[in-house]
Amino acid sequence: DQQVKQNSPSLSVQEGRISILNCDYTNSMFDYFLWYKKYPAEGPTFLISISSIKDKNEDGRFTVFLNKSAKHLSLHIVPSQPGDSAVYFCAATLRTGNQFYFGTGTSLTVIP
Amino acid sequence: DGGITQSPKYLFRKEGQNVTLSCEQNLNHDAMYWYRQDPGQGLRLIYYSQIVNDFQKGDIAEGYSVSREKKESFPLTVTSAQKNPTAFYLCASHGTRANYGYTFGSGTRLTVV
Repeated sequence: DQQVKQNSPSLSVQEGRISILNCDYTNSMFDYFLWYKKYPAEGPTFLISISSIKDKNEDGRFTVFLNKSAKHLSLHIVPSQPGDSAVYFCAATLRTGNQFYFGTGTSLTVIP
Repeated sequence: DGGITQSPKYLFRKEGQNVTLSCEQNLNHDAMYWYRQDPGQGLRLIYYSQIVNDFQKGDIAEGYSVSREKKESFPLTVTSAQKNPTAFYLCASHGTRANYGYTFGSGTRLTVV
């Protein structure tokens, strides 16, 4: 059973506009969330994370929002750039655990 | 530079053969993982190891085997029992701080011919 879900397999955005990637989870015990970025034929790289004690974390053009009551998190990229075109995975874990649970990924295309 | 090295990048296997994928890390991480990526299915956990000489099955361990004789190394063997082995395989490691999640290798693309 998929505990972390990304319901949009793909997203296209014009350069300079905002990209919003969404992620839902089912396990209310998850207390730490991450976003990874992945280019084809490469391993994912860490992008940004958020702890369940926060509802927002910002790093440059990237902001992650967490809505615990809705079990939903989102990644905002603004402004979007062509180099942001990649597959984005959200992941969730328990701080006391070692295993991360991944969503199915959203392929973002930023159109110049 | 510290990191994870996976080799080879591309691997071809004939049906009925076993094949071993290499994963080496110099990050001094205790925990190591193997994931499989298929289109539309995200990353699925095959095996993981939290300490040397110990490993646990993940969600899709059937047809795979691992060993963890050294902290730095966590090789994955894809056996002939794995019915659909063609996929992209990712190795990852994790230190004691959860803040940055996993460090991933660059992956191995396995194709059965």
